[in-house]
Amino acid sequence: QKEVEQNSGPLSVPEGAIASLNCTYSDRVSQSFFWYRQYSGKSPELIMSIYSNGDKEDGRFTAQLNKASQYVSLLIRDSQPSDSATYLCAVTPEDSNYQLIWGAGTKLIIKP
Amino acid sequence: EPEVTQTPSHQVTQMGQEVILRCVPISNHLYFYWYRQILGQKVEFLVSFYNNEISEKSEIFDDQFSVERPDGSNFTLKIRSTKLEDSAMYFCATRQGNYGYTFGSGTRLTVV
Repeated sequence: QKEVEQNSGPLSVPEGAIASLNCTYSDRVSQSFFWYRQYSGKSPELIMSIYSNGDKEDGRFTAQLNKASQYVSLLIRDSQPSDSATYLCAVTPEDSNYQLIWGAGTKLIIKP
Repeated sequence: EPEVTQTPSHQVTQMGQEVILRCVPISNHLYFYWYRQILGQKVEFLVSFYNNEISEKSEIFDDQFSVERPDGSNFTLKIRSTKLEDSAMYFCATRQGNYGYTFGSGTRLTVV
């Protein structure tokens, strides 16, 4: 059974600080990794994708992938109250080019 | 920015009835998906659709469910004989290449 695990939180971070979100996955040969943001009652919104080991930066967001340790993380710099949401980690298994396996999400609260 | 459009936004149906959820994918996207999210739970893969046929389906996607692309633009999910446990948000998603998905705004299905 392929699994994606996330700490459900809530993770509370002061405004302007760095928020660090983590995700582990069980399928050693997973290929593609995604971070989505989901506001309550809304659909997931893609923030970052990462496919190879290392860091990938996009504005205030940095995704980090370590395939040997089977984890992927998301850093949010200069956190804003509008970043308060549930952050979902999703992984494409090696034996599937089509579906995503989802974590349950981490609820992030940015305190002004 | 191109959008995935889903209708209706909210559907209330009586147990045992059939419902059809509709999606208009982004025009140049080739891969289509249906996911669902029961309130407070993980996003779950239902089915993927490529080149006018099902590519993959999950255990959830049993004979009660079907998908089709009736007119080359709309992408529909039909749920026959709905059950209470079918109540969820249903998301249509599309993708082009190996990029992350674009999700529609979802249909909230309530079975009473």
